[in-house]
Amino acid sequence: RKEVEQDPGPFNVPEGATVAFNCTYSNSASQSFFWYRQDCRKEPKLLMSVYSSGNEDGRFTAQLNRASQYISLLIRDSKLSDSATYLCVVNTGYGQNFVFGPGTRLSVLP
Amino acid sequence: NAGVTQTPKFRILKIGQSMTLQCTQDMNHNYMYWYRQDPGMGLKLIYYSVGAGITDKGEVPNGYNVSRSTTEDFPLRLELAAPSQTSVYFCASSETIITDTQYFGPGTRLTVL
Repeated sequence: RKEVEQDPGPFNVPEGATVAFNCTYSNSASQSFFWYRQDCRKEPKLLMSVYSSGNEDGRFTAQLNRASQYISLLIRDSKLSDSATYLCVVNTGYGQNFVFGPGTRLSVLP
Repeated sequence: NAGVTQTPKFRILKIGQSMTLQCTQDMNHNYMYWYRQDPGMGLKLIYYSVGAGITDKGEVPNGYNVSRSTTEDFPLRLELAAPSQTSVYFCASSETIITDTQYFGPGTRLTVL
């Protein structure tokens, strides 16, 4: 089993739609969790950290379920500018540190 | 504020050639990382450093070497380039090793022919 797995995608949604991405991780000792956004041919950039209590930033909501080793990202009222690949990132605190999922590509269509 | 800078942006190498990818950060971060990203794949950690003079292997270190003589610089050396090393290479830094954001450079696109 891969350390971090994500929905394979791509997701093609119309503007204004709500879309949810899922991510699972295998190491139960993982300590911190993130969603990064990567635009085509660009570097990843932090979208948001994910906390056990869940957190929200505008149209974006992230949830963490430690018991199920599952992370989610919800995007409401999708914009064209949300088109990107979303990377789930898990940190175990050990030598390998940040482990990246393969990413889920989102295309928001006009 | 430049953040993390990488040079070159693009490079084509012949099999067996060597090169150094440069990475510099101006945020005084102790932690620095080198990743490679193959098409459609996630980032794989090559090497990381927890401070000047201290480096360690990541998931895919074979064929690469690093050094960290200063806090700012973390160059990645490719010896005897192979087609399997064709990839996009990202350097990143962070203030802490667990809970903090990683800041990435713009990447180096390397093709080995």
